[in-house]
Amino acid sequence: AQKITQTQPGMFVQEKEAVTLDCTYDTSDQSYGLFWYKQPSSGEMIFLIYQGSYDEQNATEGRYSLNFQKARKSANLVISASQLGDSAMYFCAMSSYNQGGKLIFGQGTELSVKP
Amino acid sequence: GAVVSQHPSRVICKSGTSVKIECRSLDFQATTMFWYRQFPKKSLMLMATSNEGSKATYEQGVEKDKFLINHASLTLSTLTVTSAHPEDSSFYICRVQGDADTQYFGPGTRLTVL
Repeated sequence: AQKITQTQPGMFVQEKEAVTLDCTYDTSDQSYGLFWYKQPSSGEMIFLIYQGSYDEQNATEGRYSLNFQKARKSANLVISASQLGDSAMYFCAMSSYNQGGKLIFGQGTELSVKP
Repeated sequence: GAVVSQHPSRVICKSGTSVKIECRSLDFQATTMFWYRQFPKKSLMLMATSNEGSKATYEQGVEKDKFLINHASLTLSTLTVTSAHPEDSSFYICRVQGDADTQYFGPGTRLTVL
């Protein structure tokens, strides 16, 4: 069975500082993808970053980077230079090649950026 | 512009009535559509997977007779909450998948059952 775990229900960070949101996963599949989404209070799901299981380099997208440690089955999101607009819920998600495109989500982390 | 739309964005209904939520793929043909529900401050829980022209596949614990899914075309899937009760109040989001792993979320529908 597949599982995604986010152990930080809430996080605070000072504006302009970096923050790491934790995500661990469990799967028996060899081919899978890991995603991070941002969900502001409006409810829309905003795609942030993707890491494939065979990608050797950590994914980066602007201020977002994914710290992928395959042996430890972790895929932490690092947000650099936090901005007030980064305050939102953040979800880690996984999709496996053998699961027909299903995307399963972690519990989420609520990030609050302090001015 | 939006790639996936949901209608309505918000709906309030009386207990016992049925509510239909539409999910439309605007820019591409969707081979698969997924329906999720989300309670406040909680995660997105996959309810079912629908493929055009075939019956939906429901996740364990989801009542197929209560949450009717119809995927009549490559651009439209509907979720009908039948005989809605207050505990069905939730945020319902569709996710649309096309070819080449393109995928997009709809903006969501907030259902409140009185």
